[in-house]
Amino acid sequence: DIQMTQSPSAMSASVGDRVTITCRASQGIRNFLAWFQQEPGKVPKRLIYVASTLQSGVPSRFSGSGSGTEFTLTISSLQPEDFATYYCLQHNSYPWTFGQGTKVEIK
Amino acid sequence: VQLVESGGGLVQPGGSLRLSCAASGFTFNTSAMNWVRQAPGKGLEWVSGISTSGGATDYADSVKGRFTISRDNSKNRLYLQMNSLTAEDTAIYYCAAGWLLPPWGQGTLVTVSS
Repeated sequence: DIQMTQSPSAMSASVGDRVTITCRASQGIRNFLAWFQQEPGKVPKRLIYVASTLQSGVPSRFSGSGSGTEFTLTISSLQPEDFATYYCLQHNSYPWTFGQGTKVEIK
Repeated sequence: VQLVESGGGLVQPGGSLRLSCAASGFTFNTSAMNWVRQAPGKGLEWVSGISTSGGATDYADSVKGRFTISRDNSKNRLYLQMNSLTAEDTAIYYCAAGWLLPPWGQGTLVTVSS
């Protein structure tokens, strides 16, 4: 199975900060990588798919990059509604696997 | 697009439960479907997926041999038959279409406890 390792596991940041979250795959997954956001008590929602394509309706401050084994999610200017937990998911091969999550908290 | 999960509840260890997901607002029979779960206070775990026709299925190692995914395209419904349940299966179970595109359903809570 492909292991997905996110870093950091948690972070504190201020409104307006640039935030970068990394996801590493244990083997190449081409660009079959998605990012999800889960606000406290809410259903997860997909932000980015195929590594860098923004889901319709998602603010442009979110961006994704990478290919192969290393991927990043960047929030260019953190907003209050962005404080949440973020997960990466590889869907290159079964079983699909999520990263362990990155909790972004208010500093 | 709307997905509505049902069938969750309290079940004893070793018991069985069948989850259902009612789909509407999209062409169900052209969408692969998946189940994803989240244990209390934990991260997301992909559980199972099924092809458009139902002819191909896949499972997480943690549920292989115990869970069975199926679909009824005539009813626009997705199912998850869960057998030999353990406390580690306690979670909210979500159904999602395709590459887990939004929106997901609100989920159905499965609690395995004596």
